[in-house]
Amino acid sequence: AQKVTQAQTEISVVEKEDVTLDCVYETRDTTYYLFWYKQPPSGELVFLIRRNSFDEQNEISGRYSWNFQKSTSSFNFTITASQVVDSAVYFCALSTPSTGANSKLTFGKGITLSVRP
Amino acid sequence: SQTIHQWPATLVQPVGSPLSLECTVEGTSNPNLYWYRQAAGRGLQLLFYSVGIGQISSEVPQNLSASRPQDRQFILSSKKLLLSDSGFYLCASQGLAGTDTQYFGPGTRLTVL
Repeated sequence: AQKVTQAQTEISVVEKEDVTLDCVYETRDTTYYLFWYKQPPSGELVFLIRRNSFDEQNEISGRYSWNFQKSTSSFNFTITASQVVDSAVYFCALSTPSTGANSKLTFGKGITLSVRP
Repeated sequence: SQTIHQWPATLVQPVGSPLSLECTVEGTSNPNLYWYRQAAGRGLQLLFYSVGIGQISSEVPQNLSASRPQDRQFILSSKKLLLSDSGFYLCASQGLAGTDTQYFGPGTRLTVL
């Protein structure tokens, strides 16, 4: 069975601070996909990144960066120089071929990030 | 790229009334479609998914049903709403192969009174 753990439930930082959101996953599959989604107060889930299990390269996109480490089954997300607009709930998710052709997502419980001015 | 539409955006319904939420997708063909529910302050729960017209799989036994009358249309229904049906309902679309990314619509916020 697949599992995604986001141990942090709420994080509060002051604007311009760096913040790291942790994600730990469990799966017996060797092929899998990891995702991060952002849910702002409006409610819509916004796709941020997808990483497959064969690509351990870290990725940077502007102020966002992701650290994928298979050795620790972690896929952490760092926001550099946080801004108020980063305030949202962030979900980490996992999908594997074994969940079927439709490739269902297993979500973590989400981390509520509050960035104060 | 895909665009997912949901309506209505918000809905307030009395207990025992029927429900119909609609999701339509643009920009892709033969997508896998999903309905999720998010209760207040909680995570996402997968309710239904569909890999094609008329093909519906239910994840959790409940008071709701889903239908897919057209390739890019996914409907969530109930004959009689319960208080526990309140929540935020999200539709997601997954194009191409089953390993593709799921993209989400703007959601419908349902309050059952």
